[in-house]
Amino acid sequence: KAGVTQTPRYLIKTRGQQVTLSCSPISGHRSVSWYQQTPGQGLQFLFEYFSETQRNKGNFPGRFSGRQFSNSRSEMNVSTLELGDSALYLCASSVDSNYGYTFGSGTRLTVV
Amino acid sequence: AQSVTQLDSQVPVFEEAPVELRCNYSSSVSVYLFWYVQYPNQGLQLLLKYLSGSTLVESINGFEAEFNKSQTSFHLRKPSVHISDTAEYFCAVMKTSYDKVIFGPGTSLSVIP
Repeated sequence: KAGVTQTPRYLIKTRGQQVTLSCSPISGHRSVSWYQQTPGQGLQFLFEYFSETQRNKGNFPGRFSGRQFSNSRSEMNVSTLELGDSALYLCASSVDSNYGYTFGSGTRLTVV
Repeated sequence: AQSVTQLDSQVPVFEEAPVELRCNYSSSVSVYLFWYVQYPNQGLQLLLKYLSGSTLVESINGFEAEFNKSQTSFHLRKPSVHISDTAEYFCAVMKTSYDKVIFGPGTSLSVIP
């Protein structure tokens, strides 16, 4: 079966711009979580959506937002980009979070 | 807030030697525990998980982890490592079924021929 698909794989944006990242979970998975991965901070939890509702939220500023559609596909948006937002953004899906995640390959965002 | 500690950021080990990657978590309640592996230039993969029951859990590629509630630990072990085990290993914890999953900082395992 198809894995977790994240698009695009790479992005280069300028400070102050906004960006939208997309994640298509495995069919049947209703839980989608987003993480920011950086060499210094490791994997930081952004938010989790379950059946179109945000179920958990991490400690990121309001510039980071997300949503989930009825087909479980999810998007995350970052507005007013800062240099520090440069990171690998990972999406993970699950039947439910205690089953364990299947991760996508990530979107590498570079802010210049 | 719960947290996960992986004391060893890098662990070099010779091929066919045993290895233990340490993981400790902070939580006063029951938790679910996971180990994930990230091979070079790949995404994270679930290696094994502890939800309940037997405190010793095993993966299909020879790794095992033991849940120790009194020491709040979930160390990962393998009796004999292979070159192909070279990867980053992440320990993760979840407090309840509907809580967020928190990851540790990771341990880079390098297997030396």
